[in-house]
Amino acid sequence: SAVISQKPSRDICQRGTSLTIQCQVDSQVTMMFWYRQQPGQSLTLIATANQGSEATYESGFVIDKFPISRPNLTFSTLTVSNMSPEDSSIYLCSAEDGSGNTIYFGEGSWLTVV
Amino acid sequence: TQLLEQSPQFLSIQEGENLTVYCNSSSVFSSLQWYRQEPGEGPVLLVTVVTGGEVKKLKRLTFQFGDARKDSSLHITAAQPGDTGLYLCAGTPSNTGKLIFGQGTTLQVKP
Repeated sequence: SAVISQKPSRDICQRGTSLTIQCQVDSQVTMMFWYRQQPGQSLTLIATANQGSEATYESGFVIDKFPISRPNLTFSTLTVSNMSPEDSSIYLCSAEDGSGNTIYFGEGSWLTVV
Repeated sequence: TQLLEQSPQFLSIQEGENLTVYCNSSSVFSSLQWYRQEPGEGPVLLVTVVTGGEVKKLKRLTFQFGDARKDSSLHITAAQPGDTGLYLCAGTPSNTGKLIFGQGTTLQVKP
């Protein structure tokens, strides 16, 4: 199994600022993903973080707002840019173990924008 | 349009009752997974089903994958307060490599 660590775990941010969330996996993984989850609701896929190339974004999410990096097989970052209160959410990193059947999640980064 | 329709979205039952959560789609999935999430934590994988018609049991939880690999169900027998949480179905549409989630079912089991 893979262990995924996210930082920060929680933050309160000022409107208009940007915050970068880090995701570290304890083993090399093929696929890494970023999700957003409103409290009490389900997860929405933001993008697939591709190693060495630009992330693949889902409908409704754009690179200017959510730039993503993945410099190697164990690390990725998600930046939430020019934040507004609507961006207050839980952001989760996940990774696939290579078998195609198991995806592990970090504990999430809880962002509150004031 | 929600690719995975999960129902019910909210369920409040008494300890000892049985319940079933459904996850339906018009698309075929390579695999379907069920997660449980507690407040303040990330989703934790309960089971993965990959073969049409597959049934898996995890103590009081029974998971089924539809024959056509378009739907799944989670059945809990004799629910306990410790089963309270958010249950999420998620699937990988064929040939996409992405994991898509249903809306989730918030389960409350009252003692």
